[in-house]
Amino acid sequence: IAGITQAPTSQILAAGRRMTLRCTQDMRHNAMYWYRQDLGLGLRLIHYSNTAGTTGKGEVPDGYSVSRANTDDFPLTLASAVPSQTSVYFCASSPQGLAGEGETQYFGPGTRLLVL
Amino acid sequence: SQKIEQNSEALNIQEGKTATLTCNYTNYSPAYLQWYRQDPGRGPVFLLLIRENEKEKRKERLKVTFDTTLKQSLFHITASQPADSATYLCAPDTGRRALTFGSGTRLQVQP
Repeated sequence: IAGITQAPTSQILAAGRRMTLRCTQDMRHNAMYWYRQDLGLGLRLIHYSNTAGTTGKGEVPDGYSVSRANTDDFPLTLASAVPSQTSVYFCASSPQGLAGEGETQYFGPGTRLLVL
Repeated sequence: SQKIEQNSEALNIQEGKTATLTCNYTNYSPAYLQWYRQDPGRGPVFLLLIRENEKEKRKERLKVTFDTTLKQSLFHITASQPADSATYLCAPDTGRRALTFGSGTRLQVQP
């Protein structure tokens, strides 16, 4: 593994179903993030984690939950998917959790989710 | 409210010309501003970071300027190549731990 991996690559999901998007990094970064990207809206932060054991809400957290049991993994769960959650989801990480203060973020390849 | 504006229309230029992309922001006072490149079907990749006191930053064929009075950053690619075709995202720092991104400008370099 090099960098950030996400799984699955893409998924079609029936509305009302539960889904977990997986994210793993091997860079030993402290901070991890989940964004969704929609046409014309850019990247919007869903949840973040500054370090293992802590999480926080971003700009659009409703309908999503996260956990950070260890440094490497940061899964995103949709408890009951709705069509408005159709999007491309990106996981990212940064070394110290100071991306808003000039620290670079590293992104995974994304998961394309279609909720019908 | 805080806002980041990038030209949503694609920028089409001829190979060899200089591409200039604009990022305007309102109700921010960023100390840093980052630029990322995103290719179709891929995640964004970091290109450059400029600090508020730097005015201009260069990396190979890339140049970024940062005008805190105009609340604007310009991103230049000189001697553009078809391989530079991508979407370019700006991300001014908001003082929070995560980045806030503009929606990006798509650049198409014609051979």
